[in-house]
Amino acid sequence: DTVMTQSPATLSVSPGERVTLSCRASQSVSSNLAWFQQKPGQAPRLLIFGASSRATGIPARFSGSGSGTEFTLTISSLQTEDFAVYFCQHYNHWPYSFGQGTKLEIK
Amino acid sequence: QLQVQESGPGLVKPSETLSLICSVSGLSISSTEYYWGWIRQPPGKGLEWIGGLYYAGSTQYNPALRSRVTISVDTSKNQASLKLSLVTAADTAVYYCARLFRDSDNGGYYFDYWGQGTLATVSA
Repeated sequence: DTVMTQSPATLSVSPGERVTLSCRASQSVSSNLAWFQQKPGQAPRLLIFGASSRATGIPARFSGSGSGTEFTLTISSLQTEDFAVYFCQHYNHWPYSFGQGTKLEIK
Repeated sequence: QLQVQESGPGLVKPSETLSLICSVSGLSISSTEYYWGWIRQPPGKGLEWIGGLYYAGSTQYNPALRSRVTISVDTSKNQASLKLSLVTAADTAVYYCARLFRDSDNGGYYFDYWGQGTLATVSA
């Protein structure tokens, strides 16, 4: 099974900053990689699919990159509504799996 | 407009079977464009993929749960269901139903639309 590892576990940042979150797969998942944002008490929301394609309605400040085993999610200028937990997930083969999440905190 | 709504008993006793329903409106669950999947999240923890179902009957399960999980679809009710047998406290979680959409460029199916989830607690 493919293990997804995210880093860091927690990131303290200030609004307006640029932030990069990392996700590593234990084996290649090609570009079958999605990123989700989750706020307390809410379901995850799809941000990025295909490693770099923004989902419908997602602001341009969110961007994804990578392929194979190394992926990043970049938020170019953090807004207050972006403080949340972010998960990566591969869908290259069964079984699918999620990373453990990165929590963005306000510094 | 697509709506996905999970429902279930809320409280299940240890060793019993958890049964959850995913009701879909605004879209036929029989559509050939989608899979339907289940994901769970224990309180304060991360997400775990449980399994997925293609309407024609093909299913895929998390190997860690395969022996206890059954996912099925009732096209007449436009619903998917999840049954998890022999539950323990470790199965306490919010359970989500989600649509999987085909990534035409890369070939896989990604979760593009999630229900709000339903909390299932395992306790005597």
